[in-house]
Amino acid sequence: GEDVEQSLFLSVREGDSSVINCTYTDSSSTYLYWYKQEPGAGLQLLTYIFSNMDMKQDQRLTVLLNKKDKHLSLRIADTQTGDSAIYFCAERGNTDKLIFGTGTRLQVFP
Amino acid sequence: DSGVTQTPKHLITATGQRVTLRCSPRSGDLSVYWYQQSLDQGLQFLIQYYNGEERAKGNILERFSAQQFPDLHSELNLSSLELGDSALYFCASSQTDSNGYTFGSGTRLTVV
Repeated sequence: GEDVEQSLFLSVREGDSSVINCTYTDSSSTYLYWYKQEPGAGLQLLTYIFSNMDMKQDQRLTVLLNKKDKHLSLRIADTQTGDSAIYFCAERGNTDKLIFGTGTRLQVFP
Repeated sequence: DSGVTQTPKHLITATGQRVTLRCSPRSGDLSVYWYQQSLDQGLQFLIQYYNGEERAKGNILERFSAQQFPDLHSELNLSSLELGDSALYFCASSQTDSNGYTFGSGTRLTVV
């Protein structure tokens, strides 16, 4: 079946790194995504990783994929207050639809 | 502006009523997806259309229906509304070879 799980909350100090974790169950996932949702807004695609990669870096964002354990993580370096939001991971299997996790609420405090 | 337009932004209606939510996909995108976001259920996939035809169906209630028109805009119809239908409804679009969806800003439906 398709299921994506995330921890619900993460609180970090400004300037520290944040690591948001996600586990998924569909071994046929082709792409995995990270989306950001700010209050009152839609979901914004942050980054994605193809399933045959194990790492992708994009400025302050680093995505790590452990396909064996079906574990995905998003690391945000030098976290800022503007990074406070809900972060969703999502998997895309062999159909077009994305299955989203429950979202992790990141709170950044000064 | 993501390029995906959803109207209206907010909707308040009474139980038992019917509403229509509208979505215009990003230019060039053939696929439209509808999602429901509620506090206790997270983001739930409802339905996907590709170039006017239904492609995939998720946890969509029988009281809900959707369609995609020749100009590729899509409408989600919600009928016999219940209090539990109160949620954010998102539309997203993608190209066939896209690596992700582009989301609209959503329609917040409140059923009273």
